[in-house]
Amino acid sequence: DTGVSQDPRHKITKRGQNVTFRCDPISEHNRLYWYRQTLGQGPEFLTYFQNEAQLEKSRLLSDRFSAERPKGSFSTLEIQRTEQGDSAMYLCASSLIRTSGGNEQFFGPGTRLTVL
Amino acid sequence: SQQGEEDPQALSIQEGENATMNCSYKTSINNLQWYRQNSGRGLVHLILIRSNEREKHSGRLRVTLDTSKKSSSLLITASRAADTASYFCATQGAQKLVFGQGTRLTINP
Repeated sequence: DTGVSQDPRHKITKRGQNVTFRCDPISEHNRLYWYRQTLGQGPEFLTYFQNEAQLEKSRLLSDRFSAERPKGSFSTLEIQRTEQGDSAMYLCASSLIRTSGGNEQFFGPGTRLTVL
Repeated sequence: SQQGEEDPQALSIQEGENATMNCSYKTSINNLQWYRQNSGRGLVHLILIRSNEREKHSGRLRVTLDTSKKSSSLLITASRAADTASYFCATQGAQKLVFGQGTRLTINP
C-alpha cells in the first residue's frame, strides 16, 4: 500500500501521560500536514512541513504539542501531559508541490486518541 | 475555527435520487475541495475546483463554485448505498485546508 499510513490507529492513555503518533507520507510527497478532528466536526489544521521545515503552526498547537519531520520523510506528533480535551482523531496528510492551482492532500486513516 | 458552513448538516435520500450539498465560506480562496469520510475513517479527496473555474465534473459528481457569493455546491447523481458518508468542503488559500463541519449523507436502499 503506497498511501499515507499512521501509527497507532488507536491510543488510550491516562491524563497527564505523553503520547507520540507517527505518520508516513506518500514517498515522493514533500509536504506533510497534521489536522485534528473532534466528533461531528470537520478537521482543523494543526501544522505543516515542507520537507523537514515546519512552516506553519496553528494557535491550536499549544506548547504541549510538538511535531517533527527530521529527515523530510516520516513525521511525529507528540502531546505532553495529555488532557481530556486532547481526545480526538489526529489526521495526517501529504501532498506534492504544484506550480499552480493548489494541491490535493492525501489523508491517512488517522490516530484516534482517548484520554481518560 | 472553521471557515466553511455546510448545508444541510444531514441529508437522507433514497437510492437512485440525486443529493445536493452546499458550502459557504468567508475569505478569498485559491481553490475549494470536496472530501468524503466514511464513519471513523480518513478523508478521501473527491474533486478540486480552482477559483477561476465555475463548474467541474468527475463521474457522478458535479461541483459548482460562485466566488462572488463565496459558495459551492456538490451534486451526486444517481446515488448508491456506498455513497453514505460525511462530505466536507475545504477551502485552500496558501497551503492549509480549512474545512466546514460537513454534511452527513445517508442513502436508503
